[in-house]
Amino acid sequence: DTEVTQTPKHLVMGMTNKKSLKCEQHMGHRAMYWYKQKAKKPPELMFVYSYEKLSINESVPSRFSPECPNSSLLNLHLHALQPEDSALYLCASSQAFTEAFFGQGTRLTVV
Amino acid sequence: QQPVQSPQAVILREGEDAVINCSSSKALYSVHWYRQKHGEAPVFLMILLKGGEQKGHEKISASFNEKKQQSSLYLTASQLSYSGTYFCGTEARPGTASKLTFGTGTRLQVTL
Repeated sequence: DTEVTQTPKHLVMGMTNKKSLKCEQHMGHRAMYWYKQKAKKPPELMFVYSYEKLSINESVPSRFSPECPNSSLLNLHLHALQPEDSALYLCASSQAFTEAFFGQGTRLTVV
Repeated sequence: QQPVQSPQAVILREGEDAVINCSSSKALYSVHWYRQKHGEAPVFLMILLKGGEQKGHEKISASFNEKKQQSSLYLTASQLSYSGTYFCGTEARPGTASKLTFGTGTRLQVTL
């Protein structure tokens, strides 16, 4: 199984809502990532978890809160987002020094 | 700082060759190449580690010049399936996780 599964595929939320994005992989990868991608732009790294510990936070606003409950799961909790946060959110996983496998992403619209 | 890719966009006829370049202002440990089709996830193509090696499989190959902090992706005898946006992803140092900084992207369209 070489899949990274993200749910939901699409999400529309109001600026006062709280929602969560979920990501799951069963490849035994010990590193998991959240990226944000705007239209026609490259993915931008948000968070990195290594061995279930947050190792990198790329100065992401606190309205985005990551969580890694176990080695297979990664969540991104969203609260009080702004319209400019609308984007494709990509989850990825990898072993050290190897390729990253990306999920299909969650297309988020903040209204 | 984000690596710069060139060209920004290229249109090829099926069977033609293309070269995509990736240039960084930082010393690099590794370069990854990905292709992303519209509305889909990025798909890994290859990784090149410090050492100036060249890699390839089938009709896609890449080189990495660590002294110049540059990498190039070579697409030969292009196929319609090669269409998409190509990104290089660079790492400055090795670690237990990859801190990839993606380049500006190159949109490639292959036509009949």
